[in-house]
Amino acid sequence: GDSVTQMEGPVTLSEEAFLTINCTYTATGYPSLFWYVQYPGEGLQLLLKATKADDKGSNKGFEATYRKETTSFHLEKGSVQVSDSAVYFCAQPGGTSYGKLTFGQGTILTVHP
Amino acid sequence: GAVVSQHPSRVICKSGTSVKIECRSLDFQATTMFWYRQFPKKSLMLMATSNEGSKATYEQGVEKDKFLINHASLTLSTLTVTSAHPEDSSFYICSASSGYEQYFGPGTRLTVT
Repeated sequence: GDSVTQMEGPVTLSEEAFLTINCTYTATGYPSLFWYVQYPGEGLQLLLKATKADDKGSNKGFEATYRKETTSFHLEKGSVQVSDSAVYFCAQPGGTSYGKLTFGQGTILTVHP
Repeated sequence: GAVVSQHPSRVICKSGTSVKIECRSLDFQATTMFWYRQFPKKSLMLMATSNEGSKATYEQGVEKDKFLINHASLTLSTLTVTSAHPEDSSFYICSASSGYEQYFGPGTRLTVT
């Protein structure tokens, strides 16, 4: 079945470091792909998305490019801040229910000053 | 943007009692709502999908009689944890959808003592 795999965390970085969180997917077609962010004690927020191959989603300095050749949607940010500390989830539509999402396992990011 | 609220944000209950969690879409009508459970440092596990006015569809392994879901209107869904036990302690997150995108609530931390 369709699935999403993220790099294992946790990831710990110093402020202004470069961030990459890997995400790969398996699917029969070309699904939309999403990155969600969960700040401590809160629910999930959509960070960015891409709806077709070669699309680049971007928001708040984060970017991810939909690459069908490598079935990947890696999240990147050039210079992280302490406020970026959160859990990041890669996701794609999944299952038979309309609107259902399949999530990766989540990657905890901690940014130190 | 679309806002989804959950109430309560935190609840502590005694073993054997029942707890109700509300999920509301504040500024849009949600044809579908989803309930997730999140264990510490784990991804979200979809528990059930509910459509307004019809019975919820539960994921495999989720006990229908233990986790009662009601989607009485286009803006409100409730999850009732019946006869709660310590192993039901978790972070419960709902999401609401009026079409393709899901909007997540802030979550409810349930602690069963």
